[in-house]
Amino acid sequence: GQQLNQSPQSMFIQEGEDVSMNCTSSSIFNTWLWYKQDPGEGPVLLIALYKAGELTSNGRLTAQFGITRKDSFLNISASIPSDVGIYFCAGRAWANNLFFGTGTRLTVIP
Amino acid sequence: EAGVTQFPSHSVIEKGQTVTLRCDPISGHDNLYWYRRVMGKEIKFLLHFVKESKQDESGMPNNRFLAERTGGTYSTLKVQPAELEDSGVYFCASTWGSSYNEQFFGPGTRLTVL
Repeated sequence: GQQLNQSPQSMFIQEGEDVSMNCTSSSIFNTWLWYKQDPGEGPVLLIALYKAGELTSNGRLTAQFGITRKDSFLNISASIPSDVGIYFCAGRAWANNLFFGTGTRLTVIP
Repeated sequence: EAGVTQFPSHSVIEKGQTVTLRCDPISGHDNLYWYRRVMGKEIKFLLHFVKESKQDESGMPNNRFLAERTGGTYSTLKVQPAELEDSGVYFCASTWGSSYNEQFFGPGTRLTVL
């Protein structure tokens, strides 16, 4: 199956700093998604990307669908304490199921 | 409107025992998915139901895992007999209408096999 490499695995940042994380795939996806998981909760969709080259924002979050369709990044600007959690990228090829990255654990130090 | 719910939230069992996990999707969602996250690894797809039919079960690890969705409402995932490597968090997700719509995830069931 498809392999997604997500980096970094974890980040410790100061409140107010910007964050960047990315995912690369061994194969092409038609959709890239970014999820956030809070402790004790399931993943919640943050941003969905449907076209190569697409750049989409959701508040302080910005994500891009790579031109090659094999990568995506997520940026968080001006981080705040509630940004703490695990961020997952996910890709969808031709089937309906999602392939997830291993997650980036974000810690924001006030 | 209630979200996806899963029961139990935690389960600790011994190797060789049987465990049944339950997922109640959002009412009216025909598509139901099971995923699993083993510690520190990616969330992996297990299977996909459309109503009561298994659309794709390519991610099921082996025949110790049995998923059902009788009546097309809630779903159960039974592991029998459980092995140590089955430990992880099992997520359920559901979508309305097209299976390409947003998947809403439940909080997961953390399974520990000792």
